[in-house]
Amino acid sequence: DVKVTQSSRYLVKRTGEKVFLECVQDMDHENMFWYRQDPGLGLRLIYFSYDVKMKEKGDIPEGYSVSREKKERFSLILESASTNQTSMYLCASRVTGNTEAFFGQGTRLTVV
Amino acid sequence: QKEVEQNSGPLSVPEGAIASLNCTYSDRGSQSFFWYRQYSGKSPELIMFIYSNGDKEDGRFTAQLNKASQYVSLLIRDSQPSDSATYLCAVETSGTYKYIFGTGTRLKVLA
Repeated sequence: DVKVTQSSRYLVKRTGEKVFLECVQDMDHENMFWYRQDPGLGLRLIYFSYDVKMKEKGDIPEGYSVSREKKERFSLILESASTNQTSMYLCASRVTGNTEAFFGQGTRLTVV
Repeated sequence: QKEVEQNSGPLSVPEGAIASLNCTYSDRGSQSFFWYRQYSGKSPELIMFIYSNGDKEDGRFTAQLNKASQYVSLLIRDSQPSDSATYLCAVETSGTYKYIFGTGTRLKVLA
């Protein structure tokens, strides 16, 4: 079975802190994605990566950056956390092509 | 115009009825389309995918694709209370690896 693992299930951080969300997949998938999910807004794409060290902005990249130094790991970085970044963050991975995405369990981030 | 649009619902149907969920997309070059189900507090899971115009059936689920109208739908026959969830439409945009979701439709199946 494909496994996508996010480092934390729940996280509470203070405004202005630098926050790292980690995602690891074990199926050698080329593509990895970071989404945030908010009520009424669905899943919004923050950043994605189609290969090691390659990254592309999604629809809402402001305030975020990413890192993909190894194929299995995709990190989301909140440079200076703000309260409007309180959300559920979901990582996903997939093989390149017409394939489904597999999701991690999500990280509920609260910025206070 | 949003890239992928869905009616947020909730869509309420009685048990045993057919639930019809709809999705429109803006990128005419999109080739692959996916339906995911998400239970409250859980991550999305794939139900079906469709690439070609027409219908694709899998058990109680039928996906329908009309590329000319940029429209994809999901029919759930003999709806059960356990089908109550949010259904998300996803599209891979043409020429990129971008994988975009609609806002989802909340389905309630009433016992």
